[in-house]
Amino acid sequence: AQKITQTQPGMFVQEKEAVTLDCTYDTSDQSYGLFWYKQPSSGEMIFLIYQGSYDEQNATEGRYSLNFQKARKSANLVISASQLGDSAMYFCAMRGTLNAGGTSYGKLTFGQGTILTVHP
Amino acid sequence: NAGVTQTPKFRILKIGQSMTLQCAQDMNHNYMYWYRQDPGMGLKLIYYSVGAGITDKGEVPNGYNVSRSTTEDFPLRLELAAPSQTSVYFCASSYSRTSGGETQYFGPGTRLLVL
Repeated sequence: AQKITQTQPGMFVQEKEAVTLDCTYDTSDQSYGLFWYKQPSSGEMIFLIYQGSYDEQNATEGRYSLNFQKARKSANLVISASQLGDSAMYFCAMRGTLNAGGTSYGKLTFGQGTILTVHP
Repeated sequence: NAGVTQTPKFRILKIGQSMTLQCAQDMNHNYMYWYRQDPGMGLKLIYYSVGAGITDKGEVPNGYNVSRSTTEDFPLRLELAAPSQTSVYFCASSYSRTSGGETQYFGPGTRLLVL
């Protein structure tokens, strides 16, 4: 079974500062993918960044970077130069591989989320 | 591209009523998914499809049915609505299930209230 843990229910950051959102995961799969999604108050789910378990480099997408520490099973999201528009709920998710009767699929397992508030 | 679209955006149902949540994608993705998000929680997988004509259950399938007659469309059917089905429903799609094309893109969601 896979599990994603986000231990920070809420985080506060000053505008223009960097912030790290924590995510730890548990899986017995050798191959897996890790994702971060942003959910603003409007409700949509916005894909931010992806890290494959075999990727040697940490993923980066603009102001977002993923601090991937495989041995510690952590995949923290770092947002640099926070903006007011970054205020939202952030979800860490993992794609594992489930084999059931020879069929596998890319089910996403989500964490509970972290609410980020950016102060001016 | 419109991406993933969902209709309706919001619906109120009475207990025992039925409805279909529509989902369509124009990205030619093979994989489609239905999730539900309860208040203050992450998403849970209801059903998924790996291609037209092929569907299977996720974590929380009870009370729902799906079909996939075309690559583009993946409707979710609620047959006998119950208050426990009050939630926000998200449809998602991806090109593949493995590294390189597995990112799931989500629709805007459907808010369902069952009274």
